[in-house]
Order: sequence, then structure tokens, then C-alpha cells
Amino acid sequence: KQEVTQIPAALSVPEGENLVLNCSFTDSAIYNLQWFRQDPGKGLTSLLLIQSSQREQTSGRLNASLDKSSGRSTLYIAASQPGDSATYLCAVTFGNEKLTFGTGTRLTIIP
Amino acid sequence: DVKVTQSSRYLVKRTGEKVFLECVQDMDHENMFWYRQDPGLGLRLIYFSYDVKMKEKGDIPEGYSVSREKKERFSLILESASTNQTSMYLCASSLFNPTISYEQYFGPGTRLTVT
Repeated sequence: KQEVTQIPAALSVPEGENLVLNCSFTDSAIYNLQWFRQDPGKGLTSLLLIQSSQREQTSGRLNASLDKSSGRSTLYIAASQPGDSATYLCAVTFGNEKLTFGTGTRLTIIP
Repeated sequence: DVKVTQSSRYLVKRTGEKVFLECVQDMDHENMFWYRQDPGLGLRLIYFSYDVKMKEKGDIPEGYSVSREKKERFSLILESASTNQTSMYLCASSLFNPTISYEQYFGPGTRLTVT
């Protein structure tokens, strides 16, 4: 069964620190991997998408990497801010068009 | 900017009622999706559609049906709502290409409570 795992489920970090969120998946034959942010009670906001042929993507303070051979992706957040507090979800397209989601990491930035 | 809207943010229905959840996207996307999100289980795909009048079952289609009569609109139907369908429902859309998967854009969600 194709699965996506995010550990830890929750993370607290002091403001200003750099941090890394982890995502692992069970099948290296992926189409792409997407990182989302979700604020409490809200929908998902797409942060970064990495195609299977790419190794990383950057947007502002965010950098996502992809290592298909080891089944891992990381989301690096530089100089964290209280506004970064949210749940971060990793999702993988194993079959065409269908996303499989991890259960997320709830991030709290402590002022 | 892609915009995906859902007809209601909050909905309360009684057991046995027929429930319609509506989703509209304004970017001419071919693909549309319905997910439900539950604590500890994450997001699970209910149904998706590649084109008008086309639909495919996702991972948890039981108790649900869908309708896509127009490209921009994708409806999720609960024929007879049950308490175990209390959940957050999220709609998404994306472009379609047979050789590449595009990113999905999500609506704000509908929190449905069935009493």
C-alpha cells in the first residue's frame, strides 16, 4: 500500500530559528510531491510542488527537497516567524492525478 | 489566481437527509476532486472527475455520489446522511495532462455536522 508519513506530528520552535519538516513515502515511483499549509478550520494552501524529475523547489523562505531513492522529502523554513504557525501537509501523486496525503505536522512558532 | 469556492463553510443536517455540497472553480481546470478530512486520518479522496460527466471512485466512495454537469462545477451528494459522515469536506481542482501532474488548488472547506 502506498503511504505517506510525517513525523513528528507536532513541533514547537522559537521564533527566528530555521527548521526542517520531514515527509517519507513508501514507493519511489512518484509523479510529484506537494507541500501544503493549513490554518485551523481552513482549506489547504499550496506552498511548493516538486516534479519527479526535480530535486528541489524554493519559494521565499521555503525550500523543499525530494530524494526519490530514499523516499524522502524535507521542507526547510528559514528564519521562522509566528505567522508560520500552521499544520503542514505533504502529499504525493503515486498514480496519475491522485494525491495521497500524510497526516501533517502541526508547527508552533514561539514568539 | 485560481479560485475554488465551496457553497457553505458550515452545514448542519439531520440523519437521513439528502445533502448537496457544491464546488466551483474559475480557472477552466479539467480535474476536480472531493476529499474528507478527519483527525488522525488525514485527507482521503472520495471521488474525482477528469471531465464533464466523467467520475471515478477514490478511496472512500461508499455513501457518496457526485455530479459534474458543467466543467466548472463538481457536486458531492450524500444520499442519506449519517453521523459518521460528520467531517470537513474539501474540494480541489487542477489542470490535466497525461504526462505530468499539476498542483491541486483547494477550496476553503465545508464543515458538515450530521446530528
